Amino acid sequence: EAGVAQSPRYKIIEKRQSVAFWCNPISGHATLYWYQQILGQGPKLLIQFQNNGVVDDSQLPKDRFSAERLKGVDSTLKIQPAKLEDSAVYLCASRPLRQGRAEAFFGQGTRLTVV
Amino acid sequence: GESVGLHLPTLSVQEGDNSIINCAYSNSASDYFIWYKQESGKGPQFIIDIRSNMDKRQGQRVTVLLNKTVKHLSLQIAATQPGDSAVYFCAERVRAQKLVFGQGTRLTINP
Repeated sequence: EAGVAQSPRYKIIEKRQSVAFWCNPISGHATLYWYQQILGQGPKLLIQFQNNGVVDDSQLPKDRFSAERLKGVDSTLKIQPAKLEDSAVYLCASRPLRQGRAEAFFGQGTRLTVV
Repeated sequence: GESVGLHLPTLSVQEGDNSIINCAYSNSASDYFIWYKQESGKGPQFIIDIRSNMDKRQGQRVTVLLNKTVKHLSLQIAATQPGDSAVYFCAERVRAQKLVFGQGTRLTINP
């Protein structure tokens, strides 16, 4: 089965610019996560979707970050305007709804550098 | 609150030895605990999970131990190989939904 696809792999922008990341989860996976991973730290959950509804966005900086999952499949994460501290790897993960498994499958991530 | 932390940021072992990576957690509402391996430039890769009502689970060369009394989780890797070099994260699934990650332990293998 194909894995979680993310694009772009790398992005360099200047502060105050806007950027968008795209994620295509594994087919049939209802749950989709966006994580921010700053160098040397563990991934931090930004937002979680179940189908096209938001389950948790308590740690999403809503003044500058937004995310959507139209039609419950692909998802985009946007930052507008970017700050230097947004430099990180943005990871997308997906998981099926079936019980008895906790495994989430991760994409390779998008490395964002804000200069 | 929700926090998952690790006792050691780095661990160095000899090739062929067993590795033990530890993790402390604080949330009693977690139903699963999961170990992930992350190699440079890649996303985290699932290794093994354990339900909160279990205390031990074994996989291929890996064993996870859960001690709910002291809220401690460990990952044991048998006969460590060079390919095991990576950062290892423990994570907990809170209220059957949210995945919360710890800071990670970097495992390096000495030849």
